[in-house]
Amino acid sequence: AQKVTQAQTEISVVEKEDVTLDCVYETRDTTYYLFWYKQPPSGELVFLIRRNSFDEQNEISGRYSWNFQKSTSSFNFTITASQVVDSAVYFCALSEVADKLIFGTGTRLQVFP
Amino acid sequence: AAGVIQSPRHLIKEKRETATLKCYPIPRHDTVYWYQQGPGQDPQFLISFYEKMQSDKGSIPDRFSAQQFSDYHSELNMSSLELGDSALYFCASSLGLAGGDEQFFGPGTRLTVL
Repeated sequence: AQKVTQAQTEISVVEKEDVTLDCVYETRDTTYYLFWYKQPPSGELVFLIRRNSFDEQNEISGRYSWNFQKSTSSFNFTITASQVVDSAVYFCALSEVADKLIFGTGTRLQVFP
Repeated sequence: AAGVIQSPRHLIKEKRETATLKCYPIPRHDTVYWYQQGPGQDPQFLISFYEKMQSDKGSIPDRFSAQQFSDYHSELNMSSLELGDSALYFCASSLGLAGGDEQFFGPGTRLTVL
């Protein structure tokens, strides 16, 4: 069974705070891909990052960083020094060999000035 | 760079009417996916096509049908529309069926059924 769980429904922070969005996944495949997408109020889905199951190297890209841990089946996403423009719904997603994306229920992030 | 094009962007229909949503993938992309996102929900996979053949099917109602044409564009046909069909419909395209190829999403078609 494939499943993505984002336990945090909504997070509110004040600008410049760091915030981590949690994602836990379930899959029986040994080869799979994990993604983060951002959906701002305008509605489009913006691709942020993809990781494959063989690449546990964590990455920092500007204010974004990701922590992929196969041992705990987690793929967490951190925004450093959050900004109002980061306010959006963030989706974690899983793709197995069949390629369709299985999304989590999303975490709504509100950044207040 | 060219992106995925979806038309129309907004569509308003009455119950029991039909609707056709169109998707134009990024040039050279041979795989198209359709997702449905209800209000306050996550996107749910409907159906996908690879090289004009259906490659996978999700929770797509029997009232819906889709196909991919020779120029790789795809159409989602929805008949006997119900209020619950009101949603944002995304099309995404990718290059090849190899798992994990990034799916590029279109801006979505917002369907409202009255």
